[in-house]
Amino acid sequence: GEDVEQSLFLSVREGDSSVINCTYTDSSSTYLYWYKQEPGAGLQLLTYIFSNMDMKQDQRLTVLLNKKDKHLSLRIADTQTGDSAIYFCAEREGTALIFGKGTTLSVSS
Amino acid sequence: GAVVSQHPSRVICKSGTSVKIECRSLDFQATTMFWYRQFPKQSLMLMATSNEGSKATYEQGVEKDKFLINHASLTLSTLTVTSAHPEDSSFYICSAKQGLEEKLFFGSGTQLSVL
Repeated sequence: GEDVEQSLFLSVREGDSSVINCTYTDSSSTYLYWYKQEPGAGLQLLTYIFSNMDMKQDQRLTVLLNKKDKHLSLRIADTQTGDSAIYFCAEREGTALIFGKGTTLSVSS
Repeated sequence: GAVVSQHPSRVICKSGTSVKIECRSLDFQATTMFWYRQFPKQSLMLMATSNEGSKATYEQGVEKDKFLINHASLTLSTLTVTSAHPEDSSFYICSAKQGLEEKLFFGSGTQLSVL
């Protein structure tokens, strides 16, 4: 199967920007996703980007896609303590998703 | 938004028994449902894909006789872990897809502990 890699931990101060990075291997991926998992809860879709786009912005979230380097990033502006969670990136393989291991974002006040 | 209900959220069972996990789409028809497994500190791993009314497609390495998946209706899929063993202890999560919609909606997961 294909691999999706992301760093395991990120720690930021409240009000700063957070950038979570992800690399994937399947160049034929049509969609790439960011999911958020809060403690004890299921996954919540944050945003997704189609592979022919370079950037997508949605309020405090900015997704950047470098298709040449197979690199995806999620930027959270003005990070709040409520943003503390595990963030998963995922790539589409057929009709299913292949997930990275998740990045634990810790926000300190 | 669409809601996927997964039940139970936590189950503890004895080794050798079978456990059934339900995944329901509450306000939409889920033509395709996926079952994932997550080990501690590891990623979600796709176990199988099920389409309503047909047999599930299992990923390589997943025993279909051990992890029985039934998707008998457009709103319900079940995963039965048969003859559970301690190594089956894990977090199981389902997701559902509506037709050609891009979004996947996830259940809240089931933590299975086999003693």
